[in-house]
Amino acid sequence: DTAVSQTPKYLVTQMGNDKSIKCEQNLGHDTMYWYKQDSKKFLKIMFSYNNKELIINETVPNRFSPKSPDKAHLNLHINSLELGDSAVYFCASSGGSKGYTFGSGTRLTVV
Amino acid sequence: GESVGLHLPTLSVQEGDNSIINCAYSNSASDYFIWYKQESGKGPQFIIDIRSNMDKRQGQRVTVLLNKTVKHLSLQIAATQPGDSAVYFCAENKNDYKLSFGAGTTVTVRA
Repeated sequence: DTAVSQTPKYLVTQMGNDKSIKCEQNLGHDTMYWYKQDSKKFLKIMFSYNNKELIINETVPNRFSPKSPDKAHLNLHINSLELGDSAVYFCASSGGSKGYTFGSGTRLTVV
Repeated sequence: GESVGLHLPTLSVQEGDNSIINCAYSNSASDYFIWYKQESGKGPQFIIDIRSNMDKRQGQRVTVLLNKTVKHLSLQIAATQPGDSAVYFCAENKNDYKLSFGAGTTVTVRA
């Protein structure tokens, strides 16, 4: 059983399109996150949700809109995609004693 | 092999040797630190953590050392194996739902 699963794994799309990435965790954690990893492998937090409530928004453009229908799901919708949005996006969750658990990532390529 | 000083982006180590990866963290208020391992095409995976009330913690083949005076964290891997080849990240947290990652160190194990 995958603890944190995100789909799709790969996403190639044209500039200006709108796309969504989905994330689900079966760990019973209360808090979920979206991180962006750039081409230099630097990981930066984008959003954090605790029990469906937004608690961190790290100055991400408002083209990015997270949505948490319940505490096991945190989806990321991106409007009007730009070339600079190309990156690997990781979903994560926390609530136990072993730090954060990350999904396997979604590689977004904007062409 | 050792990434000496604040941080080096790469570390090449002979199989069987010990590895030391160094990390400088930024926030003196951080009270929880984690080392993650990221293999190609995968998300970061928890290795070991340490709280600020400790200066050393050991796991299986890994040891984390914390020096709060100089805000320095290190990860030691004993008897490095080919499967240890990956990017290693240190991360810090001050209990605010935001885990901040350092720049990663790419470890390559030579046969």
